[in-house]
Amino acid sequence: QLQLQESGPGLVKPSETLSLACTVSGGSIGSSTYYWAWIRQPPGKGLEWMGTIYYSGSTNYNPSLKSRVTLSVDTSKNQFSLKLSSVTAADTAVYYCAGSGGVERRQYDPWGQGTLVTVSS
Amino acid sequence: QSELTQPSSLSASPGASASLTCTLRSGLSVGAYTMYWFQQRPGSPPQFLLRYKSDSNKQQGSGVPSRFSASKDASANAGILLISGLQSEDEADYYCMIWHNSASVFGGGTKLTVL
Repeated sequence: QLQLQESGPGLVKPSETLSLACTVSGGSIGSSTYYWAWIRQPPGKGLEWMGTIYYSGSTNYNPSLKSRVTLSVDTSKNQFSLKLSSVTAADTAVYYCAGSGGVERRQYDPWGQGTLVTVSS
Repeated sequence: QSELTQPSSLSASPGASASLTCTLRSGLSVGAYTMYWFQQRPGSPPQFLLRYKSDSNKQQGSGVPSRFSASKDASANAGILLISGLQSEDEADYYCMIWHNSASVFGGGTKLTVL
């Protein structure tokens, strides 16, 4: 059974870069079955898709975040990662990683448990 | 204008049915899209419920009860998540999602209260 787990700092200073990793277990990140996604949720608010990456390194980003987001894959660690630059308080959120599978590899299932990242000095 | 609009809240009684709508903005046609539905209980990550394109093109999430189903209302340009036989455990936030122009777009979510 595929499982995902986010890791990274819970506190980031304004203007710095937020970096998170998602470790995949129970399957290979190199599987053609999945794309890999990051989705965030500010406290008390809704879900926002940030971007998706394939094991080959092919990426697709949310246009509203594209200038600040970088996704990468490390197949040797069975991980994929998120970097978000120039963060502000508005980037405070729970960050989820998810497998994007299904017939068209477009349905988010499963999800990680999420990790809260607070942007504050 | 957001691509997807969901009512912010909905209340229903145990044992009743609840119909949650997800309306596409003008210019987008619900018939052209596969709609994905997610449930998020308090303090937990979202969980995939089902996807629906048409009655012949749909998929239930693994372990998701058949009480959860979906449809479309073309006249309202909306996707619908129907939950029958409501139980207290169905109290949660529900999100719809589509892919539009190669981007994943979520609705704002509906908080379902079962009381």
